[in-house]
Amino acid sequence: ILNVEQSPQSLHVQEGDSTNFTCSFPSSNFYALHWYRWETAKSPEALFVMTLNGDEKKKGRISATLNTKEGYSYLYIKGSQPEDSATYLCASLRGRGANNLFFGTGTRLTVIP
Amino acid sequence: DTGVSQDPRHKITKRGQNVTFRCDPISEHNRLYWYRQTLGQGPEFLTYFQNEAQLEKSRLLSDRFSAERPKGSFSTLEIQRTEQGDSAMYLCASSSGLALETQYFGPGTRLLVL
Repeated sequence: ILNVEQSPQSLHVQEGDSTNFTCSFPSSNFYALHWYRWETAKSPEALFVMTLNGDEKKKGRISATLNTKEGYSYLYIKGSQPEDSATYLCASLRGRGANNLFFGTGTRLTVIP
Repeated sequence: DTGVSQDPRHKITKRGQNVTFRCDPISEHNRLYWYRQTLGQGPEFLTYFQNEAQLEKSRLLSDRFSAERPKGSFSTLEIQRTEQGDSAMYLCASSSGLALETQYFGPGTRLLVL
């Protein structure tokens, strides 16, 4: 994998359903992975910064896992709510001292009440 | 509000005109970044400042683009002789400069070049 890729591109779920999506990134020279949530007309909101293989982070109903050896991260949302509707972006930081994030194209989540 | 702010939020201009955007980072953040997001893509890195020094520029930043951060606080991004391909969301972010720090984003400036 040369670029950061996210799947699916968009997702519609019913309120109360749990869901997950994938971020794939180049495993070579990996330093950190960032997850952001971006609601329309607002600023992207930082969710997690992950660095270690096997790392797992949680924030309320949202959690994320990281596999640096195979180059993927999963984001899980438990019991989706309409306010979870947003675009979820992941971005990798390549190499210690790197400053620019390489973003995927995002997963647009719509939670139907 | 102590977050990153950007001005204007929206800008419509005619091809060939110059435009300037402003970013005010979180106070005391010494790193400031500019990204651009075009339709259907994720944000792409443009440039990065450490205090007032511009330390890194992407090849996406053509010679029509110039960014400054004169006093190490706010930053401006100017696009000269705009082209339709410059239509995009321009995002600014700031960070504290610590290892593995989060980049905090502003709401962006959406540019439409007619």
